[in-house]
Amino acid sequence: NAGVTQTPKFRILKIGQSMTLQCAQDMNHNYMYWYRQDPGMGLKLIYYSVGAGITDKGEVPNGYNVSRSTTEDFPLRLELAAPSQTSVYFCASSSGTDNQPQHFGDGTRLSIL
Amino acid sequence: AQTVTQSQPEMSVQEAETVTLSCTYDTSESDYYLFWYKQPPSRQMILVIRQEAYKQQNATENRFSVNFQKAAKSFSLKISDSQLGDAAMYFCAPRAQGAQKLVFGQGTRLTINP
Repeated sequence: NAGVTQTPKFRILKIGQSMTLQCAQDMNHNYMYWYRQDPGMGLKLIYYSVGAGITDKGEVPNGYNVSRSTTEDFPLRLELAAPSQTSVYFCASSSGTDNQPQHFGDGTRLSIL
Repeated sequence: AQTVTQSQPEMSVQEAETVTLSCTYDTSESDYYLFWYKQPPSRQMILVIRQEAYKQQNATENRFSVNFQKAAKSFSLKISDSQLGDAAMYFCAPRAQGAQKLVFGQGTRLTINP
């Protein structure tokens, strides 16, 4: 079982560059999430989706965009990378049932220089 | 607004002893679900245990158990017989019934002393 797969695992970007962080899940989960985790801190929600074609903002959406064209995939787009976006990014998914947990990918470490 | 507080940024315990990590959830909801996640140095987020607020019995998973005090809105994580592999950041994350999102606490870094 692959679960939640994130690519790439590491990336270094220059200021102003763009990139897409990929996230795919094979559990047929309706709900998917993007978080960022700054050093020594907890997780902050960037965007989430409750199904294909439906997305919504979390706590810290500025500087990011998402799309959800399929149930399996939930890519996160950085349009103009800034040093403040240096962080570890986690994708997660869940069935949406109340007592079911979120399943997390292994994270992408992104550095903006 | 719903607030989750983990009041202990860092904790340490001797190997084989018991440690309790605190978490409080300030909410007006009566039904919710509580999750504890572990994040070891590998940085994976691993589910440790879950607790349903409507259940009177505290959840237990091997050496891990929840001490749920509903009136105090507190659900602490108790780790018995601590092992070196328990060293990690621990996050509590409640979710109100019907809510689409978890609310994560700030985390507690647990060190196990051999």
